[in-house]
Amino acid sequence: EVQLVESGGGLVKPGGSLRLSCSASGFSFRSYDMNWVRQAPGKGLEWVSTITVSSNSKSYAASVRGRFTIYRGYAENSLYLQMNNLRAEDTAIYYCARDRDSGGYFDSWGQGTLVTVSS
Amino acid sequence: DIQMTQSPSTLSASVGDRVTITCRASQSISNWLAWYHQKPGKAPTLLIYEASTLESGVPSRFSGSGSGTEFTLTITSLQPDDFATYYCQQYNSYSRTFGQGTKLEIK
Repeated sequence: EVQLVESGGGLVKPGGSLRLSCSASGFSFRSYDMNWVRQAPGKGLEWVSTITVSSNSKSYAASVRGRFTIYRGYAENSLYLQMNNLRAEDTAIYYCARDRDSGGYFDSWGQGTLVTVSS
Repeated sequence: DIQMTQSPSTLSASVGDRVTITCRASQSISNWLAWYHQKPGKAPTLLIYEASTLESGVPSRFSGSGSGTEFTLTITSLQPDDFATYYCQQYNSYSRTFGQGTKLEIK
């Protein structure tokens, strides 16, 4: 069974940093592109970032480009999101999601981790 | 970036009804469109990809159609479990985008 478990969320002050983790199991992690998607409280879904199988290509939403970095750890089957210079508008549940065959759509999701940016 | 617009934003219906949700893209995305639903407090679940291909395990009362810039999700014979929020998502470009969502409520 595919499992994605996010961690690392919490309360951080504006301008601060946080690193999110997503532990993957039940599938060959190194064979799938991976993504972060977020959802602000009471709002819709927003794609944040994608990393390819070999990590040679990374893409970001304009709202986070230059502040967030996606990377993956193959030995530990984990996906990460380093978030710097956080803003109030980054407050959201962050989901880790698996890309189906590099197709661009998301066939498995984690349960999410909440990031709150507030002073 | 490609913008995705869903309509309506809210839809009231009854068990057994047939409903349709529309998603429009700001430019052609061929058939690179997926549909998800999400229940409160839960992660989204994939329903349809490539505009009309039903994900494994999804009931056949769900169907998708369209190409280019206009797409529809149809649910025939609504079941109690179907009341949720529905999102479309384009993957024509590497900058993926979601529609703003359609909340399907019980009338």
